[in-house]
Amino acid sequence: KQEVTQIPAALSVPEGENLVLNCSFTDSAIYNLQWFRQDPGKGLTSLLLIQSSQREQTSGRLNASLDKSSGRSTLYIAASQPGDSATYLCAVRRRGSTLGRLYFGRGTQLTVWP
Amino acid sequence: KAGVTQTPRYLIKTRGQQVTLSCSPISGHRSVSWYQQTPGQGLQFLFEYFSETQRNKGNFPGRFSGRQFSNSRSEMNVSTLELGDSALYLCASSLAGGQGDIYGYTFGSGTRLTVV
Repeated sequence: KQEVTQIPAALSVPEGENLVLNCSFTDSAIYNLQWFRQDPGKGLTSLLLIQSSQREQTSGRLNASLDKSSGRSTLYIAASQPGDSATYLCAVRRRGSTLGRLYFGRGTQLTVWP
Repeated sequence: KAGVTQTPRYLIKTRGQQVTLSCSPISGHRSVSWYQQTPGQGLQFLFEYFSETQRNKGNFPGRFSGRQFSNSRSEMNVSTLELGDSALYLCASSLAGGQGDIYGYTFGSGTRLTVV
């Protein structure tokens, strides 16, 4: 069974700080890992997708890394802005019969204040 | 290109009724998954369909069912609604949902179901 844990559960920082969100998973036999953002009451917006063979992906101020052997991923947000305030979720896809299913963490609720 | 479309956006139902939610995936996507999101349980997987066949199923009672049509559109049905079924129901689509699918999942905006 795949379990996904995200730390911290909540984070409040002033604008301009660089920050790191953590995601860990118990089964290293993953196909890929995806980071999402969710605004209150809304759906999920995909931020970054890392294939199991990759070590990191970058998009603008976001950088996600993957260490499959240790079961960890980090999402780095540079120069945070109030508009970054949202809940950030990581999700993994396992190899094998449950490949079509995403396993989610509970998320990190981020607040960036001016 | 159009994203994943879920209808309706909001729904209020009475306990004991049944409800059907609809999801239209991105054009060309053949895998559709459904998730239930509640404050207490987070995101929980309901089921996944690919080419009209259910490939994966989560741990939900038989009151929760789904299907996928030949055009990849999917519906989810919940019968005999309970207060605990109140949640945000999210649909996601992917090109293939399997090996070789390097694009990941795209989610819709969800259907907010309230059971009173």
